[in-house]
Amino acid sequence: EVQLVESGGGLVQPGGSLRLSCAASGFTFSSYWMSWVRQAPGKGLEWVANIKQDGSEEYYVDSVKGRFTISRDNARNSLYLQMNSLRAEDTAVYYCARQEVAFVYWGQGTLVTVSS
Amino acid sequence: QSALTQPRSVSGSPGQSVTISCTGTSSDVGGYNYVSWYQQHPGKAPKLMIYDVSKRPSGVPDRFSGSKSGNTASLTISGLQAEDEADYYCCSYADSSFYVFGTGTKVTVL
Repeated sequence: EVQLVESGGGLVQPGGSLRLSCAASGFTFSSYWMSWVRQAPGKGLEWVANIKQDGSEEYYVDSVKGRFTISRDNARNSLYLQMNSLRAEDTAVYYCARQEVAFVYWGQGTLVTVSS
Repeated sequence: QSALTQPRSVSGSPGQSVTISCTGTSSDVGGYNYVSWYQQHPGKAPKLMIYDVSKRPSGVPDRFSGSKSGNTASLTISGLQAEDEADYYCCSYADSSFYVFGTGTKVTVL
């Protein structure tokens, strides 16, 4: 059974940093692109970033470019999102998702709150 | 990287059909046959309902169908049921390996 479990969310002050993790199981992690998708409270879904199977390519939505870094450790079946210079508008539930031509499998999400 | 445009809400009675539109540009919806649709119930993760414009994953009822014309994609729910009440989001692959989601549509079953 495919499982994606996010962790690392919490309350952080503006300008602070946080690192999210996503533990994958039930499939060959190294064979898939992976993505982070977020959803601000009461708002819609927003694709944030993705990373190629071997980590050689990464893409970001403009609003996080230069502040967020996506990475992966295929030996640990894990996906990460390093978030720096956090802003109030980054407050959201962050989901990791297995990316094929669509996002077939999703985690349950982890809440990041940026507030003083 | 602007969000795709969806109506804020649609509604229908049980058994009726509703259609949700999703309008983008030639750089996303119009340029690729990689439109997908997601259903999201409150407090839950999104669930894939349609991919590649019109394909249904295993387990998704055939009441759900997708189509595309030009820069606009559509999701139709036929034979509306109470459990279909949820938020629905379209998503398209876009130029430069980006993905863009729609603004979301709340479906209400009257």
